[in-house]
Amino acid sequence: GENVEQHPSTLSVQEGDSAVIKCTYSDSASNYFPWYKQELGKGPQLIIDIRSNVGEKKDQRIAVTLNKTAKHFSLHITETQPEDSAVYFCAASRDTNAGKSTFGDGTTLTVKP
Amino acid sequence: NAGVMQNPRHLVRRRGQEARLRCSPMKGHSHVYWYRQLPEEGLKFMVYLQKENIIDESGMPKERFSAEFPKEGPSILRIQQVVRGDSAAYFCASSPLGTGMNTEAFFGQGTRLTVV
Repeated sequence: GENVEQHPSTLSVQEGDSAVIKCTYSDSASNYFPWYKQELGKGPQLIIDIRSNVGEKKDQRIAVTLNKTAKHFSLHITETQPEDSAVYFCAASRDTNAGKSTFGDGTTLTVKP
Repeated sequence: NAGVMQNPRHLVRRRGQEARLRCSPMKGHSHVYWYRQLPEEGLKFMVYLQKENIIDESGMPKERFSAEFPKEGPSILRIQQVVRGDSAAYFCASSPLGTGMNTEAFFGQGTRLTVV
């Protein structure tokens, strides 16, 4: 089955700096890679996703890159703000069933004001 | 358009009791997924259901756990004879389609089960 590894497990940055979270996956058939933000006591919220026919996708301050050959993908957050502090999860799935995803173990991001 | 609704938000059960967790998908969504999240860990897939059908239960423990998604009403995740190791947050997600290029899964707020 699919195995997703996520690094780092914790990340602390100063407000305004960039944050990068990296994930690797094992199943070459995976072709849908969502990223979720989870705030304390809440459910995961989809913030950006990428499909394997695209190498990079950007939405305002967040961007995701995908290297299908190396089986890794990354989340980039620029100009971080304190409200970006949360746990971020990467996930991978086969597009035929995007609701059935394998999640990484999460990265706790702290943005210091 | 209300999001995925889960209830209760918090549930406390004594060892040996039954826990019933409910999930109402987003309007127009007919695919439901249940995940379990242990403290400090990521979400683990449990089961995928469509109306009246279990499509994939590969992540579901073989005993004490069951799930249904009836024609009418919410999806139910049922845990019989709970043990302390069942304490976790249980999340439900829904999507409008099981396949296709524009499928996304939307998560509910979760039910936090505590077994005492």
